Amino acid sequence: QKEVEQDPGPLSVPEGAIVSLNCTYSNSAFQYFMWYRQYSRKGPELLMYTYSSGNKEDGRFTAQVDKSSKYISLFIRDSQPSDSATYLCAMAGTASKLTFGTGTRLQVTL
Amino acid sequence: DGGITQSPKYLFRKEGQNVTLSCEQNLNHDAMYWYRQDPGQGLRLIYYSQIVNDFQKGDIAEGYSVSREKKESFPLTVTSAQKNPTAFYLCASSGYRNTEAFFGQGTRLTVV
Repeated sequence: QKEVEQDPGPLSVPEGAIVSLNCTYSNSAFQYFMWYRQYSRKGPELLMYTYSSGNKEDGRFTAQVDKSSKYISLFIRDSQPSDSATYLCAMAGTASKLTFGTGTRLQVTL
Repeated sequence: DGGITQSPKYLFRKEGQNVTLSCEQNLNHDAMYWYRQDPGQGLRLIYYSQIVNDFQKGDIAEGYSVSREKKESFPLTVTSAQKNPTAFYLCASSGYRNTEAFFGQGTRLTVV
């Protein structure tokens, strides 16, 4: 079993929809949680970073962490075609090593 | 501009040759990382370094080597011992608590 599980998609939604992206994890030592966006043939870009259970909002993006269920989510409101990318969740414990999900490919259609 | 610079963007190598990928950062970050990305497999950690002159193997270190002689630089050598080197290689760095990692734009290596 992988430490971090993420549905690879692809996920296709119409413009303006609310998108929900999810990851589950098995390692209770994970304390820090991140979401990255990666466009094709580019490096991942950090979108959200959180270290506590609950919600964190930044513009159209909301990151949600439920440590009791070992489940994290990224919500995108009013999705745009420019949001079409692969979204990677990442997690870390007290050590420096990040563990990534495999990424979910999102396509926002006009 | 602060950031992470990887070079070259595209690299072709003949079988049996070693090749070195460059990674430089001016973010004053202590930790640096090398990841390999293959389709459908996400990012896999090759090596990481938390301080100068020290580095640790990641999950897939076989066939790779690194050095960390300067804080700003963390070059990766793909040796001829790496059986399947064609991939997209990503360098990253992180600062305090080594959590938020920032990535370069990657080097796509193709063995011909």
